[in-house]
Amino acid sequence: AQSVTQPDIHITVSEGASLELRCNYSYGATPYLFWYVQSPGQGLQLLLKYFSGDTLVQGIKGFEAEFKRSQSSFNLRKPSVHWSDAAEYFCAVGASGNTPLVFGKGTRLSVIA
Amino acid sequence: EPEVTQTPSHQVTQMGQEVILRCVPISNHLYFYWYRQILGQKVEFLVSFYNNEISEKSEIFDDQFSVERPDGSNFTLKIRSTKLEDSAMYFCASSAFNEQYFGPGTRLTVT
Repeated sequence: AQSVTQPDIHITVSEGASLELRCNYSYGATPYLFWYVQSPGQGLQLLLKYFSGDTLVQGIKGFEAEFKRSQSSFNLRKPSVHWSDAAEYFCAVGASGNTPLVFGKGTRLSVIA
Repeated sequence: EPEVTQTPSHQVTQMGQEVILRCVPISNHLYFYWYRQILGQKVEFLVSFYNNEISEKSEIFDDQFSVERPDGSNFTLKIRSTKLEDSAMYFCASSAFNEQYFGPGTRLTVT
């Protein structure tokens, strides 16, 4: 069965510091992997996706993620965090982007001055 | 930029009542979904819809739930007899080109 683990429930970083949010997945075949962001009271916004090709993918808002098959990981990174990045971040996996997604429990990011 | 819209943003209903949650997917998308997120928990898949029929559903999507695409633009989720445990945020999504786009959600509160 597909599953996604986001080991960090809550992370606090200083504005301007780098960020890495962890995501591990369990999936039998080559997965489609996604990161979404949810600001308070908002829906889920797609940050980036990976399904083939270059294992380092670029997304919106300066985010990137690296797919590591050997570690079953798809960690999200940002070199310099802005206060507006404070939100909940969800990693998701699916057979494709047009099939049901399985989400992790999310990581809440707080940004301090 | 096209977006998925959902109405209402918040619905309060009494246990046992029927509710209909409405969604307008992005116009050229062909795949539609409902997910829900119980407060403090992960987003869970309920049902997917393609070519005017259900393509997949989860074990959560029992006989109390139904979906419909009554016209060329709307996509609805009906809960026939709401239970307290149906209280959650319900998200509609649509997809094309392997990217799912989510609406802002409807918060359903069952009292």
